[in-house]
Amino acid sequence: AQSVTQPDIHITVSEGASLELRCNYSYGATPYLFWYVQSPGQGLQLLLKYFSGDTLVQGIKGFEAEFKRSQSSFNLRKPSVHWSDAAEYFCAVGAGLTGGGNKLTFGTGTQLKVEL
Amino acid sequence: KAGVTQTPRYLIKTRGQQVTLSCSPISGHRSVSWYQQTPGQGLQFLFEYFSETQRNKGNFPGRFSGRQFSNSRSEMNVSTLELGDSALYLCASSASPAPTSTDTQYFGPGTRLTVL
Repeated sequence: AQSVTQPDIHITVSEGASLELRCNYSYGATPYLFWYVQSPGQGLQLLLKYFSGDTLVQGIKGFEAEFKRSQSSFNLRKPSVHWSDAAEYFCAVGAGLTGGGNKLTFGTGTQLKVEL
Repeated sequence: KAGVTQTPRYLIKTRGQQVTLSCSPISGHRSVSWYQQTPGQGLQFLFEYFSETQRNKGNFPGRFSGRQFSNSRSEMNVSTLELGDSALYLCASSASPAPTSTDTQYFGPGTRLTVL
């Protein structure tokens, strides 16, 4: 069964500092990987996704993520954090063509706090 | 283009009652997935419908059910409500039956259900 681990429950960074959120996955085949962001009282917004090809994926709002098969990781990065980036971030894996349809398995999330 | 809409946004019920939540996908999207989000269990997949057929189901009791109409609108029903059913219920819509590099699954703002 597929699973996702986000080892950091809370992270605090200063505005302007760099950010890296960790994500490890467990999946038997080539995974479809996603990062979503959720602001309080809101639904989930897709930041970026990985399907195949280039292992460095660019997303919206200046975020990028790197897929590392050898480490089963898909870490999210941003070179300079803005106060508006404070939110909860979820990594997810999709089953896709193995019969899972659009089902996503999510990690437990990382709450990002930005200090001014 | 209008996003995914969910109604109602907030709902308060008492134990033993039943509830129906509604999700209207983005125009042209035929896949609708439902997720339950709680502080303790995180985001958990409930079920997915595509063209009125349930394609995948998560590990939830039979009290949780859903359906999809010919216009792709979907409803989920929870019978005999329990305190533990208090959660944010999110739906997501997609044009494709599985993730693709070009298609995106969009989430609605959710319905906040409180069971007293």
